[in-house]
Amino acid sequence: SYILTQAPSVSVAPGQSATISCGGDNIGAKNVHWYQQRPGQAPVGVVYDNSDRATGIPERFSGSNSGDTATLTIIGAEAGDEADYYCQVWDSNSDIYVFGGGTKVTVL
Amino acid sequence: EVQLEQPEKEMKKMGESLKISCKGSGYRFSSFWIGWVRQRPGKGLEWMGIIYPGDSDTNYSPSFQGQATISVDKSLTTAYLQWNALKASDTATYYCVTMRGYRFGAWGQGTAVIVSS
Repeated sequence: SYILTQAPSVSVAPGQSATISCGGDNIGAKNVHWYQQRPGQAPVGVVYDNSDRATGIPERFSGSNSGDTATLTIIGAEAGDEADYYCQVWDSNSDIYVFGGGTKVTVL
Repeated sequence: EVQLEQPEKEMKKMGESLKISCKGSGYRFSSFWIGWVRQRPGKGLEWMGIIYPGDSDTNYSPSFQGQATISVDKSLTTAYLQWNALKASDTATYYCVTMRGYRFGAWGQGTAVIVSS
């Protein structure tokens, strides 16, 4: 089955940029979606279809996807951006929905 | 506003049965797939399966096929996730979520299922 690989954690200083990667075999051929999960809360969509921000998501969040890596970038990270971030695709070969293992973003 | 309402917590013993609910409102319930996602304590998100309220068509993750049953009552705009005999490993938070194409849309707040011996 299709596998998405994410680094377990990323640290970023306030005001700096954070890059969250999601690796998969030829993931550039798929639509990648990103979700943010703050501690104790349900996930929410951040970026859909590789680069479309969800409603209400600040412009400092952006997404891209090419080759074997999709990326979620936070420019000018804030304390409120501390959360777990998950990438997700739909694997058409097996008709299943796949999540990456998640990346914990710490703003310190 | 799309809303999915879930009970906050369920506490059960191993071997017991359980059916948790997810009531949708604020949208045309029968026209959008609803998915279920498991999150074990301290772990990531796992897709379990989806159901189409219009005709109850379901699609399960191979990892969850036979482990739990997804159903729906469109007259009540409510989806369900059911177990016949709970195991300790079923301890997790279960989220229902509306599907928008091949992505997850609005999420419920999750039901924490705690299975004890």
